[in-house]
Amino acid sequence: DSGVTQTPKHLITATGQRVTLRCSPRSGDLSVYWYQQSLDQGLQFLIQYYNGEERAKGNILERFSAQQFPDLHSELNLSSLELGDSALYFCASSVAGLTYNEQFFGPGTRLTVL
Amino acid sequence: AQSVTQLGSHVSVSEGALVLLRCNYSSSVPPYLFWYVQYPNQGLQLLLKYTSAATLVKGINGFEAEFKKSETSFHLTKPSAHMSDAAEYFCAVSDRDPSGGTSYGKLTFGQGTILTVHP
Repeated sequence: DSGVTQTPKHLITATGQRVTLRCSPRSGDLSVYWYQQSLDQGLQFLIQYYNGEERAKGNILERFSAQQFPDLHSELNLSSLELGDSALYFCASSVAGLTYNEQFFGPGTRLTVL
Repeated sequence: AQSVTQLGSHVSVSEGALVLLRCNYSSSVPPYLFWYVQYPNQGLQLLLKYTSAATLVKGINGFEAEFKKSETSFHLTKPSAHMSDAAEYFCAVSDRDPSGGTSYGKLTFGQGTILTVHP
């Protein structure tokens, strides 16, 4: 158990819908990362937050957005869903969000878009 | 931009045999490198990391990796495979600031190598 929790574990929805994925970092970790894992794209970095502020952006679609709240939990919002958005979404946290800090990964949310 | 290439999407070994998973990186600055393991239906777990100290890095579960700058490689090895080692392994490089400043930890992953261990 990494200490990072993600809910829900599974999500099945239809094209065009909007979903919210939630992540609670390890106690004491200030930085949260979101990654997408799919068969065709592999593991890709989406976005990073540190202490409530956006730090870095990766290959995140405009239909996707995220935020980190004062209690440090984070939410990833996916809208106008397409079939290709079906993937495993991981949240990771680290103590200070620096390059050499170990990132602890949650168990992931498996999103299926029908 | 930094990148990682893992040679071999599938590796199969017998129990007790040497495990060798290959990783080559491309980076304009000295990299930080990581190996993560993913068991079925689980998140990623850090095996080991290279952060510019000793070039031979020892990790958990008997794994180790050697950073070779001349070969731009960071191959993962284990002397004797165990059935419980069957999993998918990912090599990753951190997104360091080319100017030498502190960057913020984005990881770029390789495509992964699935390790199968036969009895």
